[in-house]
Amino acid sequence: GQQLNQSPQSMFIQEGEDVSMNCTSSSIFNTWLWYKQDPGEGPVLLIALYKAGELTSNGRLTAQFGITRKDSFLNISASIPSDVGIYFCAGQLDYQLIWGAGTKLIIKP
Amino acid sequence: DAGVIQSPRHEVTEMGQEVTLRCKPISGHDYLFWYRQTMMRGLELLIYFNNNVPIDDSGMPEDRFSAKMPNASFSTLKIQPSEPRDSAVYFCASSAGQDLNTGELFFGEGSRLTVL
Repeated sequence: GQQLNQSPQSMFIQEGEDVSMNCTSSSIFNTWLWYKQDPGEGPVLLIALYKAGELTSNGRLTAQFGITRKDSFLNISASIPSDVGIYFCAGQLDYQLIWGAGTKLIIKP
Repeated sequence: DAGVIQSPRHEVTEMGQEVTLRCKPISGHDYLFWYRQTMMRGLELLIYFNNNVPIDDSGMPEDRFSAKMPNASFSTLKIQPSEPRDSAVYFCASSAGQDLNTGELFFGEGSRLTVL
């Protein structure tokens, strides 16, 4: 079946550092999405990308839809403690979402 | 507005017992999804409904799992009999059609199931 490869699996960073994570797929998607899951909560949509090559920002978050439609990255600038959690990419085809395995972000005190 | 409401938040049961998880979607949403999350397998779609009708249940692991949506405001996921490997966090999510076009699902807080 379709799979998304999300990396890295986890990240240990210092507060204030920039973060980068990405997803790749062997399949083409119409939409790329980035969700965040806080501990003990369900995932929440952060950014949605609809066009190949699109670069979208949401505050300190920036995401891009790869030109081949098979990949996407998410950057977080100047990380803060509330950025901890698990970040998921998801590719959408019709009404189906294909999920990455998640990137767990841990901020070192 | 209230979000997606799931109950119970935590359930601990013994192998062989029946487990029923409940979900109330956001009012007006016509799509409802049940997901399972484990460390090993991540987020897995179990089943989804559109207008209370099951559309795709290919993710339901086996006959021990069943899901119903008797009306637009309520859905259940039942496991009978439960097994230790069913231990996971089960999420319910809902969406309106126009939100689904944009890929946005609204998740509940999840039900953490532990089967001993």
